[in-house]
Amino acid sequence: LAKTTQPISMDSYEGQEVNITCSHNNIATNDYITWYQQFPSQGPRFIIQGYKTKVTNEVASLFIPADRKSSTLSLPRVSLSDTAVYYCLVGQTGANNLFFGTGTRLTVIP
Amino acid sequence: KAGVTQTPRYLIKTRGQQVTLSCSPISGHRSVSWYQQTPGQGLQFLFEYFSETQRNKGNFPGRFSGRQFSNSRSEMNVSTLELGDSALYLCASSLGDRKETQYFGPGTRLLVL
Repeated sequence: LAKTTQPISMDSYEGQEVNITCSHNNIATNDYITWYQQFPSQGPRFIIQGYKTKVTNEVASLFIPADRKSSTLSLPRVSLSDTAVYYCLVGQTGANNLFFGTGTRLTVIP
Repeated sequence: KAGVTQTPRYLIKTRGQQVTLSCSPISGHRSVSWYQQTPGQGLQFLFEYFSETQRNKGNFPGRFSGRQFSNSRSEMNVSTLELGDSALYLCASSLGDRKETQYFGPGTRLLVL
């Protein structure tokens, strides 16, 4: 069971880059790493997914070292609207071992 | 392309009743997964359906069941409701391949009194 460990909370000022690291020591060969953002009383919103090395899209970057035992979500120049809970998931879509964990509550301060 | 839709958005039931929640996946998606989210337990996997068959199941009692129709729409049923079933129920759809990303709906907020 590929459980994940993330910081419970983080604070950042508006305009700064935020890096959230997730530890997943038991990641399996076929597992992907996916990050979601969730606002209160809404469904999680997909941010980015990767398998190894670096992935970048229009909203974030995902850094995965060679051993894949951790990953870092990087949010450039955060704004107040980025205040949310961020979940790191390791596993395969629809699998019963997909573990959400407690997530990281990011608070962006003006 | 329309996203995942869930109905109803809010529901109030009393203990002992049963409830049916509905999920319409993104067009072309064949996999639908259901999750329960509570403040105490976080997001927990209930089950996944693919091509009308339950492909995976989480660790929930038999009171929780589901099904999927030929158009990939899915329903989840909870019988003999308990207070602890109060939660946000989320469904997520994907193309079906294990490496494909799943996209979540807005959820159904169920309150059991």
